[in-house]
Amino acid sequence: AQSVAQPEDQVNVAEGNPLTVKCTYSVSGNPYLFWYVQYPNRGLQFLLKYITGDNLVKGSYGFEAEFNKSQTSFHLKKPSALVSDSALYFCAVRRGDTDKLIFGTGTRLQVFP
Amino acid sequence: DAGVIQSPRHEVTEMGQEVTLRCKPISGHDYLFWYRQTMMRGLELLIYFNNNVPIDDSGMPEDRFSAKMPNASFSTLKIQPSEPRDSAVYFCASRGDVGNQPQHFGDGTRLSIL
Repeated sequence: AQSVAQPEDQVNVAEGNPLTVKCTYSVSGNPYLFWYVQYPNRGLQFLLKYITGDNLVKGSYGFEAEFNKSQTSFHLKKPSALVSDSALYFCAVRRGDTDKLIFGTGTRLQVFP
Repeated sequence: DAGVIQSPRHEVTEMGQEVTLRCKPISGHDYLFWYRQTMMRGLELLIYFNNNVPIDDSGMPEDRFSAKMPNASFSTLKIQPSEPRDSAVYFCASRGDVGNQPQHFGDGTRLSIL
């Protein structure tokens, strides 16, 4: 069975500091991994994905994520947080032979001025 | 580029009424997904289509829920009769045929059943 865990319901960080939002996954075979962001009253917006290749993936708005196969993790990072990054972040995984995305429960990121 | 378009954005209706939610996927996308988001259960996949054909409806909660995709540019999710526990935000998403492409989401329909 596929599953995604986002262990933190909320992450608080000061503006200008680096941020990390954690995600671990469980899937048989090679995973496709995604990060999405959701702003209030909006749908989920795609940030970045890992399919294969380089373990460090760069995405929109200065975000990046590191795929770690041995730890089955795909943490989202940004070197310098902005107040406008405050939102709900979802990690998702898909096994290569299926069409369904399995989403984590979401992590609320709060960036304080 | 036009994204996924959902209508209405908000719907308030009384218990027992029929509710129809609409979705227009991104042109050229072969896959369409319906999700429901609640505080208690998070984001749940209800049903998805490939080339207008329902592939997996195992997430549809009850027979009161039905979904159709009569053509490549339109899908509906219907609840009949509606109940207060159906109150949620319903999202539609679409994806191209290449498997590693991300799903693109609409802005959702916020449904309140009184």
